[in-house]
Amino acid sequence: ETGVTQSPTHLIKTRGQQVTLRCSSQSGHNTVSWYQQALGQGPQFIFQYYREEENGRGNFPPRFSGLQFPNYSSELNVNALELDDSALYLCASSLQLAGYQETQYFGPGTRLLVL
Amino acid sequence: GNSVTQMEGPVTLSEEAFLTINCTYTATGYPSLFWYVQYPGEGLQLLLKATKADDKGSNKGFEATYRKETTSFHLEKGSVQVSDSAVYFCALTFVSNTGNQFYFGTGTSLTVIP
Repeated sequence: ETGVTQSPTHLIKTRGQQVTLRCSSQSGHNTVSWYQQALGQGPQFIFQYYREEENGRGNFPPRFSGLQFPNYSSELNVNALELDDSALYLCASSLQLAGYQETQYFGPGTRLLVL
Repeated sequence: GNSVTQMEGPVTLSEEAFLTINCTYTATGYPSLFWYVQYPGEGLQLLLKATKADDKGSNKGFEATYRKETTSFHLEKGSVQVSDSAVYFCALTFVSNTGNQFYFGTGTSLTVIP
């Protein structure tokens, strides 16, 4: 069974640029959630995708957007990067059935630095 | 609004000491409650969970009881080991009218010394 993988592991961008982060969900999972974790803080929920549709969104501006593909992998896109976007971005996958979500499994994260 | 507040660290204990990490929450609806753990150099992983009031989650000697009357979900372990050194996060999830929502506390760092 393959776990949750994320790419790239590290990334450096400059203010105003755009970035795409990728996540491959664990085999058999149909739901992906994205989180932003600033240094010394807990993860903050960005959004969740279930069967290719957004299924919940946290308090993040529209320049944070996402996609989920038919194989349930996912992308997080961030436009017009700001310095405060520097953080660890975590992806978590899970199986959702009949409205019930089972345990989330987290990937190792992508560390983004915005200069 | 919805939030999770957990005890600030860092916490340092001697091996075999009793551990309590406090967690309280504010939420609309009927949340499920979780404790996640992040061991050094590893990713976040679920430690235990409780999905309704008075449920007790347990795993690896850790326990937490979902107390609706005090909106709390405190993590306890009777005798900690050096291998329990990690960062612990309290979290909640609930279903809103726009989908699932997740909230995490800021984390509590635990160091257990021999």
